[in-house]
Amino acid sequence: DAGVIQSPRHEVTEMGQEVTLRCKPISGHNSLFWYRQTMMRGLELLIYFNNNVPIDDSGMPEDRFSAKMPNASFSTLKIQPSEPRDSAVYFCASSFWRGAYEQYFGPGTRLTVT
Amino acid sequence: DQQVKQNSPSLSVQEGRISILNCDYTNSMFDYFLWYKKYPAEGPTFLISISSIKDKNEDGRFTVFLNKSAKHLSLHIVPSQPGDSAVYFCAASSTNSGNTPLVFGKGTRLSVIA
Repeated sequence: DAGVIQSPRHEVTEMGQEVTLRCKPISGHNSLFWYRQTMMRGLELLIYFNNNVPIDDSGMPEDRFSAKMPNASFSTLKIQPSEPRDSAVYFCASSFWRGAYEQYFGPGTRLTVT
Repeated sequence: DQQVKQNSPSLSVQEGRISILNCDYTNSMFDYFLWYKKYPAEGPTFLISISSIKDKNEDGRFTVFLNKSAKHLSLHIVPSQPGDSAVYFCAASSTNSGNTPLVFGKGTRLSVIA
């Protein structure tokens, strides 16, 4: 298996622009998680989906952030408009919701907003 | 309100010696604990886990100890190797009423010096 795939790996954009991060989970996994990693706050859970349905988005910092999972093999995290404080590494992870607790992470997208 | 705390941001150990990474948690509902390892420019990878019904789990050079009364767990690496240099994240979950998402600590950067 190719593991969790994220794109792009790096994104540099100007403040005010829309940013879309993409994730392909491991085939067969039914849960998908979006995290943000910063020095100050470590790994923060932004939102997670079970069977393509958003379960908890309480970690999404503001209305500027939105996430979708239109099918079992694809998810997006969108920031519109982006701000410099959104600069961070964004990780996607997937797992089986029941039985196996381990989450498998993608390589991350490093976002820089100037 | 940090439910999982790793109070040491960094740790340096000589090659061949023991590395001990510590983690404390506050939520008594947590009953499953994991350690993840992260290299630069990569996503975290699962290392070892322990259920609250055990107090020790061993996998090769890695051993995790759980002290439920103290709400404390630790990861021991013996002997430490330069390739173990990475950031280690402690994570916790509650499985009693269905799985809950993992809650991560901020990580401890381990440097193993040759």
